[in-house]
Amino acid sequence: DTGVSQDPRHKITKRGQNVTFRCDPISEHNRLYWYRQTLGQGPEFLTYFQNEAQLEKSRLLSDRFSAERPKGSFSTLEIQRTEQGDSAMYLCASSFGLAGRLAEQFFGPGTRLTVL
Amino acid sequence: KQEVTQIPAALSVPEGENLVLNCSFTDSAIYNLQWFRQDPGKGLTSLLLIQSSQREQTSGRLNASLDKSSGRSTLYIAASQPGDSATYLCAPRPGDDKIIFGKGTRLHILP
Repeated sequence: DTGVSQDPRHKITKRGQNVTFRCDPISEHNRLYWYRQTLGQGPEFLTYFQNEAQLEKSRLLSDRFSAERPKGSFSTLEIQRTEQGDSAMYLCASSFGLAGRLAEQFFGPGTRLTVL
Repeated sequence: KQEVTQIPAALSVPEGENLVLNCSFTDSAIYNLQWFRQDPGKGLTSLLLIQSSQREQTSGRLNASLDKSSGRSTLYIAASQPGDSATYLCAPRPGDDKIIFGKGTRLHILP
């Protein structure tokens, strides 16, 4: 399978615990995006990377959230001290972007987080 | 701030009908626009991407149009099938690289 993969697919945790999600983009894609989707809503942008550089962060990304892409390949999204409001589907997408051009984004299956 | 509205929010139609999903957006300064499909509990599948210089794109039974000046896009589905049942998301893209999504239209095709 050469698509975007995410792990785990489902995560149930207790309030206050830390969780980490992983995203593996399509090989050769230099851009990687994180979105969050709550029930009945469209996905909301969280952050994106070009190679290993984090270029933009949404105001939705509080200081409890941190994302990394250390080698410009896979990325991790960590949520510290989880709250019930963090329960959502976390979606990862990747694209091959060139300067001045916005390429099609391909999405992974998502990680569904439930905070009890 | 870009706001995206999709109408209707939900739609149920008998199999075989042609249908139109509507999307409007407030900021017409977009780079391109994508339509996505999302099955329940799953990720997004890109259906069509229309560049801002284009008026429409077609893929199989799907046709998407874009009127940037009026801030509107439509997704036309011909000869609907039960397998088309899903949520359809409109996503106009601003000049930077994030996607702004609407809430989607939940489509149910009745066999």
